[in-house]
Order: sequence, then structure tokens, then C-alpha cells
Amino acid sequence: QVTLKESGPALVKPTQTLTLTCTFSGFSLSSSGMRVSWIRQPPGKALEWLARIDWGDNKVYSTSLKTRLTISKDTSKNQVVLTMTNMDPVDTATYYCVRSISSTNWLDPWGQGTLVTVSS
Amino acid sequence: EIVLTQSPDFQSVTPKEKVTITCRASQSVGSSLHWYQQKPDQSPKLLINYASQSISGVPSRFSGSGSGTDFTLTINSLEAEDAATYYCHQSSSLPITFGQGTRLEIK
Repeated sequence: QVTLKESGPALVKPTQTLTLTCTFSGFSLSSSGMRVSWIRQPPGKALEWLARIDWGDNKVYSTSLKTRLTISKDTSKNQVVLTMTNMDPVDTATYYCVRSISSTNWLDPWGQGTLVTVSS
Repeated sequence: EIVLTQSPDFQSVTPKEKVTITCRASQSVGSSLHWYQQKPDQSPKLLINYASQSISGVPSRFSGSGSGTDFTLTINSLEAEDAATYYCHQSSSLPITFGQGTRLEIK
């Protein structure tokens, strides 16, 4: 059974850097085809894809947020880390990590999400 | 970037009614269009993949159709548990994009 779980601070101040960790089980990110994405959802709003990393350590980012995001993986710990710099109140959202496979590309399963509030 | 536009944004429906949600892409995505259901305070759940392929465990009243730029999610004989927001997602090209969502309210 594949599961993912996000962790990180619930509250960050404006201008700070957010670091989120996705810890997963049931698959290995060193296995060919495996990918993990980060997606966020502001309260009451739609889903927004942020970044993705794959088994070959290839990384892709949202065009609009590219300069603020860094995604990395620790295969031995089954973790993917997302950092987002210069946080702003508009970045308040639930952040999800989700698995996909290169041969199919749908997003499944999703983690439970973690709500991050940006406020001074 | 491929923009996905869903309609309607909101619909209030009665149980046993048939519901149709559409998703229109700004350029062709072939069949690389997937549907998700998000219930309140839950994470999204895959409902239909590649426009029309059923997912194990998803009730058969959910079905999808379409290709290219126009897609439809149909819910036959709506049940109270189908109250949720539905999103389409394209995996044809980067960046990955989602529709703005369609919220279904059960009367």
C-alpha cells in the first residue's frame, strides 16, 4: 500500500523560508518511473501544482514560482523535501505531496495535506 | 501553459439526478485528462483516468468521456455521498494544470 504524509510548520512568518517534508512508503523513489509532486490549495480555492522530482533526480517547477522553489529527495529515508523562500500571506494553503508514475501520469495517491499559514 | 476551464463552477442537485461536468482545455491534451473528487476536509481522490478509464473501487455511476479539448464527467443517479468538488487535471504537458473545480451540493 502506497502512502504519503506531509510534515512541516503550521505557521510561518512573512519573508521566511518554508521547508516541507513528504515521507512515503510502499514505493521507492529510486525505482524507474516513480515521481513525487507537491501541490497546494489555498483555503476554498483550486489546486495548484508546484514541483515534481523523479527517480532520476529530474526536477521540474511551476513557471510562476520557479525562483522560490527547491525540491529534493532522500531516497534512503523515503523522503522528498520542498523549500519555498520569501513566504507571503498569499502562500497560505494546504500543501499536498502525491505520487505519480511516468508511464501513466495520473496523481495517486495523495497525502493528507498540511495546512501552512503565513502570518506575522 | 494549458488552461483547463470547468463548467459549471457550482451546481445544486437532487439525489438520483444525472450530473454532467465539463472540462475544456485551451489546447489538445489528447486523452491525458484525469478527474478527481475532493470531499470537504479531505485530499483529492482519483476518479477517472485518461478521460474515460474507470478506477477500481470507484462506483460505476461515475464515467468520463472526451478527447482533445473537450471532456465530460458524468454522474448517473447522484447519491448524497457525491457532495464534493470535482477537478480535472491534464498530464499532457508541463506544467501540470488543474481546472478551477466544480462544487456539487446535494439538495
